[in-house]
Amino acid sequence: DIQMTQSPSSLSASVGDRVTITCRASQGITNFLAWFQQKPGKAPKPLIYAASSLQSGVPSKFSGSGSGTDFTLTISSLQPEDFATYYCQQYINYPFTFGPGTKVDIK
Amino acid sequence: QVQLVESGGGVVQPGRSLRLSCAASGFTFSTYGMHWVRQTPGKGLEWVAVISFDGSNRYSADSVKGRFTISRDNSKNTVYLQMNSLRAEDTAVYYCAKEEYDSSAYRYFDYWGQGTLVTVSS
Repeated sequence: DIQMTQSPSSLSASVGDRVTITCRASQGITNFLAWFQQKPGKAPKPLIYAASSLQSGVPSKFSGSGSGTDFTLTISSLQPEDFATYYCQQYINYPFTFGPGTKVDIK
Repeated sequence: QVQLVESGGGVVQPGRSLRLSCAASGFTFSTYGMHWVRQTPGKGLEWVAVISFDGSNRYSADSVKGRFTISRDNSKNTVYLQMNSLRAEDTAVYYCAKEEYDSSAYRYFDYWGQGTLVTVSS
């Protein structure tokens, strides 16, 4: 199975900050990587697929990059509604696997 | 708009069975594969199983293989997860998710249901 890791596991940031989260795969996954946002008590919300493509309706303040084993999710200007936990996930083969999550909270 | 509504969760004793359902609407259900994903506080998000658009192909995680079965009824726009021989470690929120195809024809999730809680406890 492909192992996914994320860093940091949590971070504190202020409204307006630029935030970057890193995801690493244990083996190359080309660009078959997705990012999700999850708020407490809610289902994960898809943000990005194919490492850098925005899901429909997702604002452009979210961006993704990377290929192979190293990927990043960037939020250009953090807003109150962006405080949540973010997960990466590989979908190059089964079993699909997720990172452990990065919790973004208010400084 | 796409809607996925899970049902069937609850409290069940170890060793017993439970069947989850996911009713889909807002898209042509019979043309998309469907997945189940679960989430626990301790293990995070775990992919459980997938079924192809026509039910001809199914894959599941090793942790549930031989105990859980995914199926679908395209006439009812519903996907199911039959869970047998339940264990305490199966306690989780179970989500169904719809897949979409990227430009390379690889499948990713584009919609998730709200989830249903399964608690395995005596």
